[in-house]
Amino acid sequence: AQSVTQLGSHVSVSEGALVLLRCNYSSSVPPYLFWYVQYPNQGLQLLLKYTTGATLVKGINGFEAEFKKSETSFHLTKPSAHMSDAAEYFCAVSDWGGGATNKLIFGTGTLLAVQP
Amino acid sequence: ETGVTQSPTHLIKTRGQQVTLRCSSQSGHNTVSWYQQALGQGPQFIFQYYREEENGRGNFPPRFSGLQFPNYSSELNVNALELDDSALYLCASRKDYEQYFGPGTRLTVT
Repeated sequence: AQSVTQLGSHVSVSEGALVLLRCNYSSSVPPYLFWYVQYPNQGLQLLLKYTTGATLVKGINGFEAEFKKSETSFHLTKPSAHMSDAAEYFCAVSDWGGGATNKLIFGTGTLLAVQP
Repeated sequence: ETGVTQSPTHLIKTRGQQVTLRCSSQSGHNTVSWYQQALGQGPQFIFQYYREEENGRGNFPPRFSGLQFPNYSSELNVNALELDDSALYLCASRKDYEQYFGPGTRLTVT
């Protein structure tokens, strides 16, 4: 069964510093991987996704992630943090449960704080 | 904007009551999933509907049920509410491998 582990429930960076949010996955099949962002009292917004092809994936708001099969990782990075990046970030893997069933398995989330 | 809407935004119910949450998906997205997100947790898959039939279910009891309608709207029904049902409920419509989430309904059970 697929699973996702996000290391660090809270990450704090200074404005302008590198953002690195860690995600490791477990999957018995080639994974589809996603990063979502959630602002307070809002739903989930897709940042980026990896399905097949290029392992470095670029998303919205300057975020990118690299799929590393050998490390079973899909870490999210942004070169320079902005105050507006403060939010909760979820890594997810797609679980094809057979037939047409496709559910997302989410990590427990990482709350990113950006200090001025 | 994902094109997925949910209503109501917030809801307060009493333990033992029943609740219906609604979701409107994008036209052409014939798969809808519902997720429960407890405070401080990642979303948990409840079930999925495809062409008005449930075709996948997570680890949730039968008192969680749903409906999907031909007009791309859907409902999540929860009977005999328990305190632990307090959570943000998210619906997501799917096209290909990507899921588009609505803003959620915050349910509080007292």
